[in-house]
Amino acid sequence: SYVLTQPPSVSVAPGKTARITCGGNNIGSKSVHWYQQKPGQAPVLVIYYDSDRPSGIPERFSGSNSGNTATLTISRVEAGDEADYYCQVWDSSLWVFGGGTKLTVL
Amino acid sequence: QVQLVQSGAEVKKPGASVKVSCKASGYTFTSYDINWVRQATGQGLEWMGWMNPNSGNTGYAQKFQGRVTMTRNTSISTAYMELSSLRSEDTAVYYCARGYCSGGSCSDYWGQGTLVTVSS
Repeated sequence: SYVLTQPPSVSVAPGKTARITCGGNNIGSKSVHWYQQKPGQAPVLVIYYDSDRPSGIPERFSGSNSGNTATLTISRVEAGDEADYYCQVWDSSLWVFGGGTKLTVL
Repeated sequence: QVQLVQSGAEVKKPGASVKVSCKASGYTFTSYDINWVRQATGQGLEWMGWMNPNSGNTGYAQKFQGRVTMTRNTSISTAYMELSSLRSEDTAVYYCARGYCSGGSCSDYWGQGTLVTVSS
């Protein structure tokens, strides 16, 4: 089965740029989606199809995908961005999630 | 506005079954797949399967094959997920989510979650 690997944690100071990676074999050939989940809340889609943003998601959130790594980039990080982030792909007719990355805003 | 409202928390004994409902509103229920995802406390997201509300077709993660059943009642725009032979490891929050990307491969709207606790 397909495996997605994320770093368990990323820390960033307010106003700086956070990059959260999602590794997978030839992931660049797949569409990657990203979800943000705050404690006690349901996940929220923040990036779909590698780099598209749903309405209401700030332009500070962007995505890229190439080779064996997809990346979620959050520019000008704010305290409210502190959350768990999950990458997800569709592979062989099923969803696969990464293990999640906890973003800490210092 | 699009909403998915799930049924309330459940406490079940090992070996029992649980059926969680997910009532959709604000869109045409039969036009979007419904996915089910669960999350144990402090753990990551785990996909369980999908259902096409129009056809009733389903697809389940191998881990849940034989134990999960996803159904719907289109007259009341409600999807259901039933999990049988419950064990303590099934204690988790269960989410329904509307399929958005091509083939329902991502979800844009999620229910609020239903806590299922399995305990003797």
